[in-house]
Amino acid sequence: DAGVIQSPRHEVTEMGQEVTLRCKPISGHNSLFWYRQTMMRGLELLIYFNNNVPIDDSGMPEDRFSAKMPNASFSTLKIQPSEPRDSAVYFCASSPEKGNQPQHFGDGTRLSIL
Amino acid sequence: SQQGEEDPQALSIQEGENATMNCSYKTSINNLQWYRQNSGRGLVHLILIRSNEREKHSGRLRVTLDTSKKSSSLLITASRAADTASYFCLEYGNKLVFGAGTILRVKS
Repeated sequence: DAGVIQSPRHEVTEMGQEVTLRCKPISGHNSLFWYRQTMMRGLELLIYFNNNVPIDDSGMPEDRFSAKMPNASFSTLKIQPSEPRDSAVYFCASSPEKGNQPQHFGDGTRLSIL
Repeated sequence: SQQGEEDPQALSIQEGENATMNCSYKTSINNLQWYRQNSGRGLVHLILIRSNEREKHSGRLRVTLDTSKKSSSLLITASRAADTASYFCLEYGNKLVFGAGTILRVKS
């Protein structure tokens, strides 16, 4: 079975540019999560969706960040405009149900903003 | 930071020894989960323990949960070099909060 697929794996761009990260969850999973991992702040939940609906976006840093899930098989996390402090590894995860089941993680997108 | 607490931050042991990692959380939980992360990869789920459970086993892994102390421990027995990774707990209550992680190095 295919796992959670994230693209791109690496992204290097200059500050001010728009960045779009993509995620394809495991088929049949109802919940999708976006996390950010940095050395300073560790793993932080940014937003999660249940049945394509955003449930909790309290972790989204600021208005420059937005996430969408137009259908059950695709989600995007967009940063516009990007800043150097956004540099991190961004993970997408999915699970059959919000918190009562294990989450399956993609291999992440390593984002560097110059 | 919304990180939970884990200790130790780093642990270095010889192959064959046991490794114990601890996790403290702050809120009431529905369950607590443990994950492993190899360098440059995503997290892999290891074990989930529900709030009404006190101990759970999976292969060489043993997890305990003490809700009165708001803490959990992960024990890896008979460690192998392949167990070298970072280990994180995830508390699932009103919020999903990851611990800061323990870096485990198993020397062969």
